[in-house]
Amino acid sequence: SYELTQPPSLSVSPGQTASITCSGDDLENKYVCWYQQKPGQSPLLVILQDNRRPSGIPERISGANSGTTATLTISGTQAMDEADYYCQVWVSGTVVFGGGTKLTVL
Amino acid sequence: QVQLVESGGGVVQPGGSLRLSCAASGLTFTSYAMHWVRQAPGKGLEWVAMISFDRRGEFYADSVKGRFTISRDNSKKTLHLYMNSLRGEDTAVYHCVRGLDGVTGAGGLDVWGQGTRVTVSS
Repeated sequence: SYELTQPPSLSVSPGQTASITCSGDDLENKYVCWYQQKPGQSPLLVILQDNRRPSGIPERISGANSGTTATLTISGTQAMDEADYYCQVWVSGTVVFGGGTKLTVL
Repeated sequence: QVQLVESGGGVVQPGGSLRLSCAASGLTFTSYAMHWVRQAPGKGLEWVAMISFDRRGEFYADSVKGRFTISRDNSKKTLHLYMNSLRGEDTAVYHCVRGLDGVTGAGGLDVWGQGTRVTVSS
């Protein structure tokens, strides 16, 4: 079965850039989506189709996908960005999520 | 107000059955695929099942194939998940989710319900 690999955690200081990676076989040939989940809340779609932002998502959140790695980048990280982030693809008739990355803003 | 509201969760013994329901309001339902995604306590997201907008396509995670059945009623804007032969590892919050694509899960999952909790325990 297909797997997406994310680092379990990432820490950044306020104002810095956070880059969360997601790795998988032949990933550049799949559309990657990203979700943000804060404690006690349902996930929120923040990136679709590799790099498109849904309405209401700030421009400082961006996505890229190349080779076997997709990256979610949060520029000027703020305390409100502290959350779990999940990547997701559709492959062989299934939705696959990465294991999630806990972003801490110190 | 755009919302998906799940119901039907509860405590069930191993081997038991449960039916989850999801009611959609304030959003377009009939043109989009619908999914169930679950999250076990303290764990990550796990996709469970998907049904296409026209009910022609049903897809399941290997972990639930043969035990769970997804269905939808477009006239009532409702989604269901029939869960049989439940196991301890099925314990989770189950979210009803709208997919941006009508027939696949490639478009992203853009509207999530708050979830209904299922606990499988004796």
